[in-house]
Amino acid sequence: NAGVTQTPKFQVLKTGQSMTLQCAQDMNHNSMYWYRQDPGMGLRLIYYSASEGTTDKGEVPNGYNVSRLNKREFSLRLESAAPSQTSVYFCASSEPAGPPPGQFFGPGTRLTVL
Amino acid sequence: GENVEQHPSTLSVQEGDSAVIKCTYSDSASNYFPWYKQELGKGPQLIIDIRSNVGEKKDQRIAVTLNKTAKHFSLHITETQPEDSAVYFCAASYGSGNTGKLIFGQGTTLQVKP
Repeated sequence: NAGVTQTPKFQVLKTGQSMTLQCAQDMNHNSMYWYRQDPGMGLRLIYYSASEGTTDKGEVPNGYNVSRLNKREFSLRLESAAPSQTSVYFCASSEPAGPPPGQFFGPGTRLTVL
Repeated sequence: GENVEQHPSTLSVQEGDSAVIKCTYSDSASNYFPWYKQELGKGPQLIIDIRSNVGEKKDQRIAVTLNKTAKHFSLHITETQPEDSAVYFCAASYGSGNTGKLIFGQGTTLQVKP
């Protein structure tokens, strides 16, 4: 099992450009999440999907959109990138009702917006 | 809103000593408390978790304690080794329904000196 995979690993954008971060999991989990990680601020939830076909906002959703393409895939889109979106982005998945209930994380995408 | 405070932000110990990281949470409805270890350039990895109906859980050299009355929980690592050096995050569940949402502390950088 690959667990949670993310593409790309690194990306540099110019202000105003758009891009989509891809995430896939092979653990048959119902719930998936997108976080951003900034120095000294831990992990902050951008969007989550409790189950296939549903998405909802987290703590910091502004400037982002998501798509739960199917049970395996959950993508994050930046329509018009801003320097404030420079961060490391992590995707995670979990089965909240099952053992273990913890979230499993991908390796991350390091995004720089110039 | 929901909040998790984590202390200390950095911790340096000698190999073989114990390390303790403490967290407090604000949402009295939180019932699930995982701990994650993040090595440089990697995604967070779940190392231990505890549910609100349990006061303590141990797994080899690591243990977690929970005081629901005081809204405190702690990670204890005994007989530390250089490979324990990493950033550690606590988290607490929040939100209604079984979404698996977590709010994270700010992280503790643990350095174990040989």
